[in-house]
Amino acid sequence: DAGITQSPRHKVTETGTPVTLRCHQTENHRYMYWYRQDPGHGLRLIHYSYGVKDTDKGEVSDGYSVSRSKTEDFLLTLESATSSQTSVYFCAISNTGDGYTFGSGTRLTVV
Amino acid sequence: AQTVTQSQPEMSVQEAETVTLSCTYDTSESNYYLFWYKQPPSRQMILVIRQEAYKQQNATENRFSVNFQKAAKSFSLKISDSQLGDTAMYFCAFMKHTNAGNNRKLIWGLGTSLAVNP
Repeated sequence: DAGITQSPRHKVTETGTPVTLRCHQTENHRYMYWYRQDPGHGLRLIHYSYGVKDTDKGEVSDGYSVSRSKTEDFLLTLESATSSQTSVYFCAISNTGDGYTFGSGTRLTVV
Repeated sequence: AQTVTQSQPEMSVQEAETVTLSCTYDTSESNYYLFWYKQPPSRQMILVIRQEAYKQQNATENRFSVNFQKAAKSFSLKISDSQLGDTAMYFCAFMKHTNAGNNRKLIWGLGTSLAVNP
């Protein structure tokens, strides 16, 4: 979507390998979020950032880490991918109470 | 803790008719935001409409309008003149009005799958 891009769009990886998903924004928004979406669970927050190098855990953070070394980039790393981490991952950005703008999502399959 | 409930997992409507999606929430906050998001089969999440709790007037965006009942903690979405392109999952979400940098998070309902039939 305009102003926010996720890469890759699709990825297949093997169990036990590390995986990094990238979220890049050009809106200079302060807040960035990583969600996973699974059937029956809706959107669940993994980690979020409220500034450069300021991050915090969400409700499903186990097995995931994040980094934000500059405003425009927010990286999500699966340290050792498991089949339970097969999901669609969304990045979102926010600046005020205007709600979130979402990226197009990454479909990750762990085999 | 805040919660958001969408009691209708699936709904259907005929093209050109009107449909209302329900959303209730629980909070002790007095000032907050409410949102409806749409996710079509393309999976892109799209903001449909936004309501600020301190505004009594219901938000409207073209064919989409809300019925915001603050005392009842209800925030329903009405889609008028339904179109095939409205077929999507619809999510209701809540956000506290806060300047706390580490607390600006959306609380999500589980969604309502809407099918618009020709």
